[in-house]
Amino acid sequence: AQKVTQAQTEISVVEKEDVTLDCVYETRDTTYYLFWYKQPPSGELVFLIRRNSFDEQNEISGRYSWNFQKSTSSFNFTITASQVVDSAVYFCALSENAGNNRKLIWGLGTSLAVNP
Amino acid sequence: DAGVTQSPTHLIKTRGQQVTLRCSPKSGHDTVSWYQQALGQGPQFIFQYYEEEERQRGNFPDRFSGHQFPNYSSELNVNALLLGDSALYLCASSFLKRGGRNEQFFGPGTRLTVL
Repeated sequence: AQKVTQAQTEISVVEKEDVTLDCVYETRDTTYYLFWYKQPPSGELVFLIRRNSFDEQNEISGRYSWNFQKSTSSFNFTITASQVVDSAVYFCALSENAGNNRKLIWGLGTSLAVNP
Repeated sequence: DAGVTQSPTHLIKTRGQQVTLRCSPKSGHDTVSWYQQALGQGPQFIFQYYEEEERQRGNFPDRFSGHQFPNYSSELNVNALLLGDSALYLCASSFLKRGGRNEQFFGPGTRLTVL
């Protein structure tokens, strides 16, 4: 069965701290996509990254970085030098059968509060 | 370039009523997916429409139905509303043709409250 687990329900940090959001997934497929989305208080889900199962290279985008490890079925997300505007709920999601527009399976989300 | 739009933004209904939510996909997108997000939860997949047909369906009862129009816009209909249907309903669009990349772009959602 497909499943996404985000064990951290809430995280609170002080501005400029680094923070890592954990994501562990389960799937029987060898081909799949992993995603991270940000949901600010306004409610709209903002796409952050997509990673396919054949690409384990870590990715960095500004203050954001992602660590994908198939050996531990994890796809963790790190925010460096956090800012108040990073406060949001972050969701990790899994899509099987890559390239075929399958449904997304979502974790429960991690609520991040960055305090000034 | 307009993103995904949804209407209405908020809606209040009573139990037993019927509701229709609307979604216009991002320009150039041909696939629309609908999700239900209860408070404090992750989104739950309802169904996906492509070429005016329901292509996939999540674990939702038949009270939830949908439609996709030739211009790719979509409607979500919920009949016989229950209190538990109160949630944020999210529409996501993506591009399936030519081996779509499965990057789903979301609209702002419709907040449905059932009293």
